[in-house]
Amino acid sequence: AQTVTQSQPEMSVQEAETVTLSCTYDTSESDYYLFWYKQPPSRQMILVIRQEAYKQQNATENRFSVNFQKAAKSFSLKISDSQLGDAAMYFCAYRMNYGGSQGNLIFGKGTKLSVKP
Amino acid sequence: DGGITQSPKYLFRKEGQNVTLSCEQNLNHDAMYWYRQDPGQGLRLIYYSQIVNDFQKGDIAEGYSVSREKKESFPLTVTSAQKNPTAFYLCASSIVPQSYGYTFGSGTRLTVV
Repeated sequence: AQTVTQSQPEMSVQEAETVTLSCTYDTSESDYYLFWYKQPPSRQMILVIRQEAYKQQNATENRFSVNFQKAAKSFSLKISDSQLGDAAMYFCAYRMNYGGSQGNLIFGKGTKLSVKP
Repeated sequence: DGGITQSPKYLFRKEGQNVTLSCEQNLNHDAMYWYRQDPGQGLRLIYYSQIVNDFQKGDIAEGYSVSREKKESFPLTVTSAQKNPTAFYLCASSIVPQSYGYTFGSGTRLTVV
């Protein structure tokens, strides 16, 4: 079964600095999707970034970028110029490219990011 | 604006009572999901539905029930059989296939008193 592991339960970063959150996943598939979600104190889950496995280029959204290492099954999230509003739980998720229930997202347990002023 | 609405935001229930959490979406998404979130546990899937009048159990369905009579609505009932119902509940929806991930509601905090 596919699993998603976030090995850092908590992380801390100084405002304006850069932080990297780790995510690894276990799969035998070659075609899949990866996601990072942010859950701020309001608890609204927000999609931060999405990566398609067949694309070599790492996805980027403003200050958020990923380092996608397909062979290593690693999908880390880099946050540059950290802001106080980045403080949140971050969840990594994986999805096989299948229809039906096999295409449901599988979530990691999350990393709590604190940002120090 | 399109989105998912969960209500109520906070809910209190006496032990032994059933309670229903509402989830409505106007995104025209075919699939809908219910998750339970406890501290340190991440997101655990309770039920999901990929089409009207059909739904499937997730990883922790015991003590819960759902219905999907309309595409827009996917209510979750927490029954008295659920041993530890105090938790935060999230509803989500997606197109099928789920290539663009899920859109989430803002959640309902259920407390048993």
